[in-house]
Amino acid sequence: EADIYQTPRYLVIGTGKKITLECSQTMGHDKMYWYQQDPGMELHLIHYSYGVNSTEKGDLSSESTVSRIRTEHFPLTLESARPSHTSQYLCASSDRGDQPQHFGDGTRLSIL
Amino acid sequence: SQQGEEDPQALSIQEGENATMNCSYKTSINNLQWYRQNSGRGLVHLILIRSNEREKHSGRLRVTLDTSKKSSSLLITASRAADTASYFCATERIEADDKIIFGKGTRLHILP
Repeated sequence: EADIYQTPRYLVIGTGKKITLECSQTMGHDKMYWYQQDPGMELHLIHYSYGVNSTEKGDLSSESTVSRIRTEHFPLTLESARPSHTSQYLCASSDRGDQPQHFGDGTRLSIL
Repeated sequence: SQQGEEDPQALSIQEGENATMNCSYKTSINNLQWYRQNSGRGLVHLILIRSNEREKHSGRLRVTLDTSKKSSSLLITASRAADTASYFCATERIEADDKIIFGKGTRLHILP
């Protein structure tokens, strides 16, 4: 299995709270991604990074922000959580070129 | 925008039978990838097939790619209970900067 970790696995929190979802990989991959996935549905890319200090928005508009200060770390932050943010968030990384993506087990987020 | 679309959406077969899933896409691609997702987990990469390849094998998995029809198929032979999962195709479009787009997936259930 790939060495990419997400914490927390589950988070239930009230509206208006600031949330940071953690993602770390130990493979030295330059490329990292955040996807949003509703139950039984496809993955939507919300953020990606091609290296340190590089971040881009994905195809699905999201109110979240990301940072890439270290190669191995790609946290996602929601400044003020709302019920519409309830979803599963998956982090992935890949090596350069047309290499497959390695996924963490995701964070299942519920905003009350 | 959705690029890949799997067919069927759900499939139930007896253990030991073969399972075939199809994926159609819209624009020219660099490669097409198949992933598996077990319930509550992240995605696991199965096979990557490049646009100049027609068929690839990996253990009990066989993937075909027909670029003229913009379609791919995933065959799982001699299915096992552990194969129960969702299967997603993902396409890397030409000049897409290594981003891939996922389909909605096929939910496969292997009956004992």
